[in-house]
Amino acid sequence: QLQLQESGSGLVKPSQTLSLTCAVSGGSISSGGYSWSWIRQPPGKGLEWIGYIYHSGSTYYNPSLKSRVTISVDRSKNQFSLKLSSVTAADTAVYYCASSGGDYYFDYWGQGTLVTVSS
Amino acid sequence: EIVLTQSPATLSLSPGERATLSCRASQSVSSYLAWYQQKPGQAPRLLIYDASNRATGIPARFSGSGSGTDFTLTISSLEPEDFAVYYCQQRSNWPPFSFGPGTKVDIK
Repeated sequence: QLQLQESGSGLVKPSQTLSLTCAVSGGSISSGGYSWSWIRQPPGKGLEWIGYIYHSGSTYYNPSLKSRVTISVDRSKNQFSLKLSSVTAADTAVYYCASSGGDYYFDYWGQGTLVTVSS
Repeated sequence: EIVLTQSPATLSLSPGERATLSCRASQSVSSYLAWYQQKPGQAPRLLIYDASNRATGIPARFSGSGSGTDFTLTISSLEPEDFAVYYCQQRSNWPPFSFGPGTKVDIK
């Protein structure tokens, strides 16, 4: 059974870059047919899909965030990462990493990490 | 982008009662719709995928139905652990994958 664990800075200054990592255990991030997503949830609000990286390395991003998002994978460490540039207070949220099989539903999730954008 | 709306925003019920939650899509998503449950301080959990299929380990009291633009999640008899927020998600037309705003099921 897959386990995902987010890590990274919990406080980011406005205009700077948010960086998070998701460590995957219980399976290989290079396994065929899996995609690895970032999803966020502002406090008290709903879920927003940020983007994903496929096992092949292909990436797909939410058009609303595409200009600021980069998702990458480190196969040697079995982890994937999120970078979100030029952050504002509107980017304050709990950030989740999640996995999907070939059906693009999110069946495994990390526990989430709160990122606050504040000076 | 496909927009999902959920109703009602809040559903106040007692344990043992039946819960009926609605999700409507701005255009057809065929049967490519999932339901998630989220409890406070926890990540969402996949309940239903492809509109009507229960995910692994999900109790039979949870059922999903619908296709096209109108979908329903039914909890046949609410257990104390079922009081939570429920989200629908479509994967028919992406990017982006989109979620509904959620329905909170709370204790009456």
